[in-house]
Amino acid sequence: EAGVTQFPSHSVIEKGQTVTLRCDPISGHDNLYWYRRVMGKEIKFLLHFVKESKQDESGMPNNRFLAERTGGTYSTLKVQPAELEDSGVYFCASSQFFRGAYTEAFFGQGTRLTVV
Amino acid sequence: GENVEQHPSTLSVQEGDSAVIKCTYSDSASNYFPWYKQELGKRPQLIIDIRSNVGEKKDQRIAVTLNKTAKHFSLHITETQPEDSAVYFCAASHLPGKLQFGAGTQVVVTP
Repeated sequence: EAGVTQFPSHSVIEKGQTVTLRCDPISGHDNLYWYRRVMGKEIKFLLHFVKESKQDESGMPNNRFLAERTGGTYSTLKVQPAELEDSGVYFCASSQFFRGAYTEAFFGQGTRLTVV
Repeated sequence: GENVEQHPSTLSVQEGDSAVIKCTYSDSASNYFPWYKQELGKRPQLIIDIRSNVGEKKDQRIAVTLNKTAKHFSLHITETQPEDSAVYFCAASHLPGKLQFGAGTQVVVTP
C-alpha cells in the first residue's frame, strides 16, 4: 500500500512568486492534515480536511495560504505571494476513522520550500 | 490553545545506554500523546502512543509514561543502538488529528 506522497520534494522560489504543493493521502483516508516546520522549530498544525470539507483551518498563517481538497482525494496548498518567512518543510498527513476513533496520522516525506 | 515543551533539544548517548526525552503540555483536555521518530531525509513515523486512560505503555525497547496530574509525559529508550539516532517529536492532542508538537529532540547514539 502506498503511503502519503507529496510533490515536489523540494522547491526554491523567489519572493513574490506562487508555489503549489500537492499531497496524496493514503487511499481511503478521509482525514488530511497540513503541517509546517520552520527552521528547526516545532511542527505546527495548519489545517484539517475531512473529505473535501475544511474541518479546522485555525493554523493557517494568513490569507496568502490557500488549501483545497476538491473531490476529497488529493489536496493542494498554494502560497501566493510567497514571503521569506514561508520557508520551511511542509508536511501532509492522513488518517482514518476506525470503530469510531481516529487512527494514527501517517506523514508524507514533506516538501522543503525555500523562498529567496 | 495547547502548548508542548520538549527537552532536551539534543541528546547524545553511548550505545547500550538509555535515553529519556521529556515533554510537558498545557491543556488538561489533551488525551492523546504520540511520539514520532524522523530519521534524516525520511518522513516522521509513529513509534508509540499513549492515551490518557493509561499511565504507561511499553513496546520492546521503547516505553512511554504519562502523568496527567503533572501534565507531562516521557519517552524512554533502553539499550540504545545506532539506528535509534534520529529526531524525536512528542505531541499532544484533544481534537482528532490536530496534533500540537514539541520542538523535537536530536538523539545521537555513538558506538
